[in-house]
Amino acid sequence: QKEVEQDPGPLSVPEGAIVSLNCTYSNSAFQYFMWYRQYSRKGPELLMYTYSSGNKEDGRFTAQVDKSSKYISLFIRDSQPSDSATYLCAMIPLQAGTALIFGKGTTLSVSS
Amino acid sequence: NAGVTQTPKFRVLKTGQSMTLLCAQDMNHEYMYWYRQDPGMGLRLIHYSVGEGTTAKGEVPDGYNVSRLKKQNFLLGLESAAPSQTSVYFCASTGAGAGDEKLFFGSGTQLSVL
Repeated sequence: QKEVEQDPGPLSVPEGAIVSLNCTYSNSAFQYFMWYRQYSRKGPELLMYTYSSGNKEDGRFTAQVDKSSKYISLFIRDSQPSDSATYLCAMIPLQAGTALIFGKGTTLSVSS
Repeated sequence: NAGVTQTPKFRVLKTGQSMTLLCAQDMNHEYMYWYRQDPGMGLRLIHYSVGEGTTAKGEVPDGYNVSRLKKQNFLLGLESAAPSQTSVYFCASTGAGAGDEKLFFGSGTQLSVL
């Protein structure tokens, strides 16, 4: 079993839809959770970052972490064509000197 | 402030050739990483460094070597390129303090090995 599992999609939605992207993980040592967005032929860029369980909101984006279930989600409200990208979840344990572990990424397409 | 800069952006090699990918960051970050990204495989860690003069193996280190002689630079070397090393390579860096776990990525190097 991979440490981080993420459904690769692709996921296609109409403009204005609510999008839910999810990752599960097996290592209970993971403490920091992130979502990166990657446009085609570009490097990933940090979208959301959270440490604790619960919800964190930033504009149309909400990151949700459930440590008891080892499950994280990213919700996109009122999705736009500009949201079309690959979304990667990433996580890291508290231990210093370790590296982020990424999910394989979910490709999202929002049609106008 | 350029962030993380990778050179070159594209490269085509023949099997057996060698090359070095250069990563430079101007954010005074302690940690630097090399990832490769392949379709359906996501980002996989090749090697990383937690400080000048230190390196460590990641998930897929075979066929690659790295050096961190200066804090701002992290070099990835391919001594004898193989077609299996055709990929997009990303360098990333981050700070070492609490709350500095966010990675900053370069724009990538597209490498083709024929």
